[in-house]
Amino acid sequence: NAGVTQTPKFQVLKTGQSMTLQCAQDMNHEYMSWYRQDPGMGLRLIHYSVGAGITDQGEVPNGYNVSRSTTEDFPLRLLSAAPSQTSVYFCASIGQGQNIQYFGAGTRLSVL
Amino acid sequence: DAKTTQPNSMESNEEEPVHLPCNHSTISGTDYIHWYRQLPSQGPEYVIHGLTSNVNNRMASLAIAEDRKSSTLILHRATLRDAAVYYCIVGRGGADGLTFGKGTHLIIQP
Repeated sequence: NAGVTQTPKFQVLKTGQSMTLQCAQDMNHEYMSWYRQDPGMGLRLIHYSVGAGITDQGEVPNGYNVSRSTTEDFPLRLLSAAPSQTSVYFCASIGQGQNIQYFGAGTRLSVL
Repeated sequence: DAKTTQPNSMESNEEEPVHLPCNHSTISGTDYIHWYRQLPSQGPEYVIHGLTSNVNNRMASLAIAEDRKSSTLILHRATLRDAAVYYCIVGRGGADGLTFGKGTHLIIQP
């Protein structure tokens, strides 16, 4: 059972480039979320989804887009990367009616 | 989510119990108390959660004050592998996520 899988593990971008961070879960969880973690800080919620076709904004959504076409996948798109988006990004999933978040290993992104 | 207050860091010795405190004086009646930990270079990992009563699982115990304004995570016998940042979070814990603060950096001495 793989749990939550994030790809890539590391990425370096130039300012203005776009890219998609991938997140997939194999636990049939309805809820999925994206967080970012800056050095020495806690996690901040970017976007979340309560099911296929339904997404909503979290605390820091600007500069990011999401979509949820299937239960398994929840990609995060950076439209035009900025140095302020240098961070570690974590994807998480929760089963409906449960109270435990399962996190991926993270994607470490540097924007130069 | 209600705000929590945790010590920035704590130090303990291997094979001894560890008590990690958390204050959450503004907790609402429907908020759960969640504990997660984050090992170096890894994603957060669920430890335990509870609502009113004390809770035990294979990783730890959670002691909740009677007024629910504070709680303590208890690691019964710390190992070097328990060195991590421990986050105490209060909230519903649903799809709209949890608010992670800076947590407590737990250092385990051999």
